[in-house]
Amino acid sequence: GQQVMQIPQYQHVQEGEDFTTYCNSSTTLSNIQWYKQRPGGHPVFLIQLVKSGEVKKQKRLTFQFGEAKKNSSLHITATQTTDVGTYFCAGRIKAAGNKLTFGGGTRVLVKP
Amino acid sequence: DGGITQSPKYLFRKEGQNVTLSCEQNLNHDAMYWYRQDPGQGLRLIYYSQIVNDFQKGDIAEGYSVSREKKESFPLTVTSAQKNPTAFYLCASIFSPTNTGELFFGEGSRLTVL
Repeated sequence: GQQVMQIPQYQHVQEGEDFTTYCNSSTTLSNIQWYKQRPGGHPVFLIQLVKSGEVKKQKRLTFQFGEAKKNSSLHITATQTTDVGTYFCAGRIKAAGNKLTFGGGTRVLVKP
Repeated sequence: DGGITQSPKYLFRKEGQNVTLSCEQNLNHDAMYWYRQDPGQGLRLIYYSQIVNDFQKGDIAEGYSVSREKKESFPLTVTSAQKNPTAFYLCASIFSPTNTGELFFGEGSRLTVL
């Protein structure tokens, strides 16, 4: 079936370093959203990307939507302990009636 | 404050028992969703409702049932037919089913079957 895949599944990052998590879809997406779930918490919306090639920034977070609207990335610079959590991408697949499909998430652990 | 309230936060159940998880929202959202999350896993859609008195099965509906008698409420029943019900259950809502905006999540209910 239609799937949204995220890599890596786990990311151990030294505090102060940068990292990137990737999201790939087997089909074209109407848009893509990113959520953050802190340990023991619930997902919280971060951002939505709609246009092909779109890039958005939120402080140290940079989100990108691929030209073909099949992939996306989240890049975090100068990682802090507050960045700990699981980051999910969620894509809306037009062929599936714009249903939102979540990736498996990237769990980020920060080493101080 | 507007938001989504899930209860109970923690629930223990014996095998063979049905349990109902509550989800209430005062955001005036039309669409509501139930997701299941297993440790280290993503979110899988159980059921969703785009309007009162209507709901559709998601990807893993077997062993679950829902109702949507009021706009604000979307309870989920985990029946004894659900083979592996221990999980974290998340309720979410969105303003309109055709709205491609963000999902708002409740704080979740953690169900453990003993």
